[in-house]
Amino acid sequence: ELKVEQNPLFLSMQEGKNYTIYCNYSTTSDRLYWYRQDPGKSLESLFVLLSNGAVKQEGRLMASLDTKARLSTLHITAAVHDLSATYFCAVDIAGTASKLTFGTGTRLQVTL
Amino acid sequence: DADVTQTPRNRITKTGKRIMLECSQTKGHDRMYWYRQDPGLGLRLIYYSFDVKDINKGEISDGYSVSRQAQAKFSLSLESAIPNQTALYFCATSDPTGTGKGTQYFGPGTRLLVL
Repeated sequence: ELKVEQNPLFLSMQEGKNYTIYCNYSTTSDRLYWYRQDPGKSLESLFVLLSNGAVKQEGRLMASLDTKARLSTLHITAAVHDLSATYFCAVDIAGTASKLTFGTGTRLQVTL
Repeated sequence: DADVTQTPRNRITKTGKRIMLECSQTKGHDRMYWYRQDPGLGLRLIYYSFDVKDINKGEISDGYSVSRQAQAKFSLSLESAIPNQTALYFCATSDPTGTGKGTQYFGPGTRLLVL
């Protein structure tokens, strides 16, 4: 059974600071997704990482994938309040874009 | 207009009632999914369908059933609702061969309360 763990579960950080969210998974996969969810809203796709060493960046967010370590990171640079949300990683179970197993999410709170 | 819609958006029901949640999509995707979200547990897969004739159980299918009426429609039923089915339910679609590379696109969610 595939397990996906995120840490931290909750992160409070000041504007302007940098931090990293970690996503570990338990079995082989080379396809990983990051999503953002605002309170009471749906999930919005951020990144899809398709191979070992993949790196994607959008604004102040950068995601990377290390399939050998079964680890993905979401790095936040110079955080701003608008980044406050819950972030989920999701791992494709079979590596064929079929089913996803989601992490429990990291709730990020950026304070002024 | 939204690509993935869900109805109703909010529903209150009583224990033992049968209810149906509906999902429609205009993205033209073959694959559709139903998830539930509970605080602290992330999203868990209930059922998924890769085309109209292909329906599969997810990790938490007990107490639920689904119907894929067309490529664009995928309904979730709670046969006899119980309070621990109180949750936020999401429908999603995906196209593994498209530019999204298997990204799942989510509807707005249905908030269900079972009394």
